[in-house]
Amino acid sequence: DTAVSQTPKYLVTQMGNDKSIKCEQNLGHDTMYWYKQDSKKFLKIMFSYNNKELIINETVPNRFSPKSPDKAHLNLHINSLELGDSAVYFCASSQDESSQETQYFGPGTRLLVL
Amino acid sequence: AQTVTQSQPEMSVQEAETVTLSCTYDTSESNYYLFWYKQPPSRQMILVIRQEAYKQQNATENRFSVNFQKAAKSFSLKISDSQLGDTAMYFCAFMPGGGADGLTFGKGTHLIIQP
Repeated sequence: DTAVSQTPKYLVTQMGNDKSIKCEQNLGHDTMYWYKQDSKKFLKIMFSYNNKELIINETVPNRFSPKSPDKAHLNLHINSLELGDSAVYFCASSQDESSQETQYFGPGTRLLVL
Repeated sequence: AQTVTQSQPEMSVQEAETVTLSCTYDTSESNYYLFWYKQPPSRQMILVIRQEAYKQQNATENRFSVNFQKAAKSFSLKISDSQLGDTAMYFCAFMPGGGADGLTFGKGTHLIIQP
């Protein structure tokens, strides 16, 4: 059984469109994250979220917004897509926000904006 | 803010050799955790090993071990008896106590195991 899953795995879209990436974890974790991996493989935190608090990396444009319908899901909505948004997006989860807990990553979603 | 530096963009060794990947970090935190993640061509991020900063003993996981030097802020990964399946990108990562800020990653080292 997949612990952290993401859909879709690949997403090709036109500039200016709005798209969403879904993330689900079946580990019963309380905290979920979104990371962006750019073309040079550099990984950077975008958001962390638990049922109490959303923490946003200050460098993330407000076109990006996480939405959590329930504890097991943290979806990423992106409005007005730009060429520079092309990247691999990883969802991750951990038991809680304590750094004692290992983060488990989803398989990633490769987004290509044309 | 913390930074993580991996000074070796790429390394190549022969199968069965031992290889050490370097990582240094900078932080003002006293409580934190360090991780090594592996990313094979499949793109999946896989935890290799973790180290709690308050523990003096170096973490080990089978063929993987770390050399954690807290005063020097160094956290290297040693892979013994390297195997072809070890070929991957390796990322060193830092997380402060509390963890809500997420992981801070280094730029990665591309490790190639030659047959």
